[in-house]
Amino acid sequence: DIQMTQSPSSLSASVGDRVTITCQASQDITNYLNWYQQKPGKAPKLLIYDASNLETGVPSRFSGSGSGTDFTFTISSLQPEDIATYYCQQYDKLPFTFGGGTKVEIK
Amino acid sequence: QVQLVQSGAEVKKPGASVKVSCKASGYTFTGYYIHWVRQAPGQGLEWMGWINPNSGGTYYPQNFQGRVTMTRDTSINTVYMELSGLTSDDTAVYYCERVSGYSRSDYWGQGTLVTVSS
Repeated sequence: DIQMTQSPSSLSASVGDRVTITCQASQDITNYLNWYQQKPGKAPKLLIYDASNLETGVPSRFSGSGSGTDFTFTISSLQPEDIATYYCQQYDKLPFTFGGGTKVEIK
Repeated sequence: QVQLVQSGAEVKKPGASVKVSCKASGYTFTGYYIHWVRQAPGQGLEWMGWINPNSGGTYYPQNFQGRVTMTRDTSINTVYMELSGLTSDDTAVYYCERVSGYSRSDYWGQGTLVTVSS
């Protein structure tokens, strides 16, 4: 199975800060990567697919980049409503696998 | 509007089985795969596999093979996920998700808490 390593596992930032999360795959997954946001007590929500494509209706402050094994998820200006845990997921090879998650908090 | 409505919370004893349902509405049931994902308390997401509601075809990761069974009933637009041989490690919220294309999830159920306790 492909292992997805996310870092950091948690971070604290101020409103308006730029936030960056990385996800590393244990092998080349081309660009077959999703990024999800999960708020407490809620189901995950897809934000970015194919590593860099913003899902419809998702604010443009969210972005993704990368290919191969190294990927980055960025919030350009952190907002209070962005407090959540973020997960990457690869879908290049079965079984699909998730990263361990990054909990984002407000400083 | 598209909805996935899951069955209610369950409490099971170790060794038992649980069957969680996911009733779809607002779209053509056979047109989208349903995936299942679980989340243990305070932990991350774990992908459990998929079912093709059109053909009934399934895929299960190796770590769930032999324990999980996904089925569907097209007459009532419902998919089921049954997990057997429950242990405390199976205590989790179980989610169904509708997936378009190969991997774009667009709708999720509300989640079903399964608690395994003696």
